[in-house]
Amino acid sequence: AQKVTQAQTEISVVEKEDVTLDCVYETRDTTYYLFWYKQPPSGELVFLIRRNSFDEQNEISGRYSWNFQKSTSSFNFTITASQVVDSAVYFCALSPTSGTYKYIFGTGTRLKVLA
Amino acid sequence: DAGVTQSPTHLIKTRGQHVTLRCSPISGHKSVSWYQQVLGQGPQFIFQYYEKEERGRGNFPDRFSARQFPNYSSELNVNALLLGDSALYLCASSLGYPEPSGANVLTFGAGSRLTVL
Repeated sequence: AQKVTQAQTEISVVEKEDVTLDCVYETRDTTYYLFWYKQPPSGELVFLIRRNSFDEQNEISGRYSWNFQKSTSSFNFTITASQVVDSAVYFCALSPTSGTYKYIFGTGTRLKVLA
Repeated sequence: DAGVTQSPTHLIKTRGQHVTLRCSPISGHKSVSWYQQVLGQGPQFIFQYYEKEERGRGNFPDRFSARQFPNYSSELNVNALLLGDSALYLCASSLGYPEPSGANVLTFGAGSRLTVL
C-alpha cells in the first residue's frame, strides 16, 4: 500500500526562524515521484518541488531546501528565515511513474509564522 | 495564461440533490484530474481523464462520475448527495499522461467548495 505521513499537524514559529516540515512515505514501487505543495487560505494548491526516486541530490532554492533520503523514506522540507507570507498548509505527495498517475497526499502540516 | 479555472466557487445543496462541477484546464493541457478535500485532510483522488477517456478512478462510489470534453474541459457529477460529500473539490490539469518528462506535475485550480445540508 502507498501512504504518506505528515506527523506534524501544526507548527508555529516566529518570523525569521527556520522551520522543517517532515514527510515519511511508504511505497512498494521502485520508481516514484515525490512532491511538496503549498495551500494558502485561497485554497489553490501551489506546486513547490518534484523529486524523482532516482535523484537523491538535495536542493536549495532561495529560502527553501529539501532533504530526500531514500534509506529512511523521508522527504523533508525546510524554510529558512520564515516570513508571514509562508503561513499556509503544506502537503507532501507521492505519485507512481506508471499506471494511474494519482497523487497520494499526506494530511498536511499547517504552518503559522507569527510577526 | 489563465490557470486552471473551476466553477462554481461555492455552492450549497441539500441531501439527495445532484451537483455538477466544472473545470477548464490550462491551455495545452490534455489531462484533468479531480480530487476531494475534506476539511482538515489531504486531497483524495477521484478521477483522471486524458483525451476524453477515464484513465484512473479512486475509491469513490458510483454516485460520482465525470467526463472530459473535446476541448479538454471536464465535469464532475455527484448524485444523491450525502452530508459527507461536503468538501472542497479540486481540479488539476497536466500536459499529458504522463507528461513528456514522466513526472505528471499537476497544476490545481482554487476548487469548488460544496456544502451539503
